[in-house]
Parts: sequence; C-alpha cells; structure tokens
Amino acid sequence: DVQLVQSGEEVKKPGESLKISCEASGYRFTSYWIAWVRQMPGKGLEWMGSIYPGDSDTRYSPSFQGQVTISADKSINTVYLQWSSLKAADTAMYYCARHEGTMRWFDPWGQGTLVTVSS
Amino acid sequence: DIVMTQSPDSLAMSLGERATINCKSSQSVLYSSNNENYLAWYRQKPGQPPKLLIYSASTRESGVPARFSGSGSGTDFTLTISSLQAEDVAVYYCQQYYSTPYTFGQGTKLEIK
Repeated sequence: DVQLVQSGEEVKKPGESLKISCEASGYRFTSYWIAWVRQMPGKGLEWMGSIYPGDSDTRYSPSFQGQVTISADKSINTVYLQWSSLKAADTAMYYCARHEGTMRWFDPWGQGTLVTVSS
Repeated sequence: DIVMTQSPDSLAMSLGERATINCKSSQSVLYSSNNENYLAWYRQKPGQPPKLLIYSASTRESGVPARFSGSGSGTDFTLTISSLQAEDVAVYYCQQYYSTPYTFGQGTKLEIK
C-alpha cells in the first residue's frame, strides 16, 4: 500500500523556524514527485511546490518561492517542508501528496500537519 | 497562472438526487499531443485530506463508486454524482495539472437538504 505519513501538529511563535516531514512507503521513493499543499483555516487548496527525490529537482509556486524550502532525504524516504522564520499567516494545514510526473494528478495524500503560529 | 473557477460555491441536494458541479479553466488544459485533459477532481470530507476521484477529466480512480462521473474538455468540465448518498457530504475541488503553478478551484460545498 502506498502511504504518506506526516509529522505531528506544531505550535510555534512568530520568528521561529520549523521543519515538517512526510515519510513515504510502499513504492520506489525516487521515482515519484512529492508536492506540498497549503490549506489555510476554512479555505481552499494551494500548491506550494514539488520535489523529485531522484535528483532533488524542485519546483516552487511563485507565491511560495523564497518563503519555504522543500528538501528530500533518500536514505529515509522522507520529504521536508521548512520555514526559517514563521509568521502568523503561516498558520494552516499542510498536506504532502504524490504525483507521478510534472503533469500528473495528486494521489495519495498524507494525513496533514497542522501548524499554528501564535505569540 | 491558470485560474480555476467552480460553480456553484455551495449546493444542497436531497438524498438520491443528481448533483452537478462545474469547473472552468482560464485557458485550455487539453494537451494536444495526446488529446488528454489535465484535470482532476478531489473530494475532501470534514477533517480529512483530499481524495482523488477523477483524473484526465473523466477517468474514475480505482475504488471510486460508479455514481461519480467526470466530463468536459478544453476549458469546461463537470463532476456529476448521479444519486447522492449521505457520505458524499464534502467539499469538492477541481485541479489543473497542465502547467505550474498547479491550481485548484475554490471548492464547492455539497450538503444534504
């Protein structure tokens, strides 16, 4: 079974750094892209960026370029989403999702990681 | 960026009724070299991640009930639920994966009347 398991809920203060994770299992990790998708409270879905763990090719949405960093560790089948300085506006649910190529649908999705940024 | 616009924003139907959700893209998502529409539909139940229902505009994902169907081409697409069940209460999203940034519609909230 293909599975994406995300790290747990985080509560942080503005200005703090954070790295959340998405561990993949059940398929060849280096052969598929992993995307990160943001869902702000009560809102819709926004693609943030995707990484191809095979060669670390990474594509960012212009809206998120420079705001976050996506990385992968092939040795432990894990993809990361990282912030260097969180803002209250980063409060959201973050999902990872697999896609087969750059022009392919997202399936499956991780269970989500809730990030709350509050002073 | 390709803008995806869904209609309606919300829908209240009775059990057993047919529900129709529309999705319009600001430019065509039909890839001419293979005649495939790069459009997917997802369902997000409360408190859950999105789940893929339909890809390539009209191909039902394995395990998705036959009451879900997708149609359309180019810039206009439709998701139809032929006979509404209680478990279909959710928010439905369309997504284009034709070009980055991949974009989603704003969502359509489906409720039971």
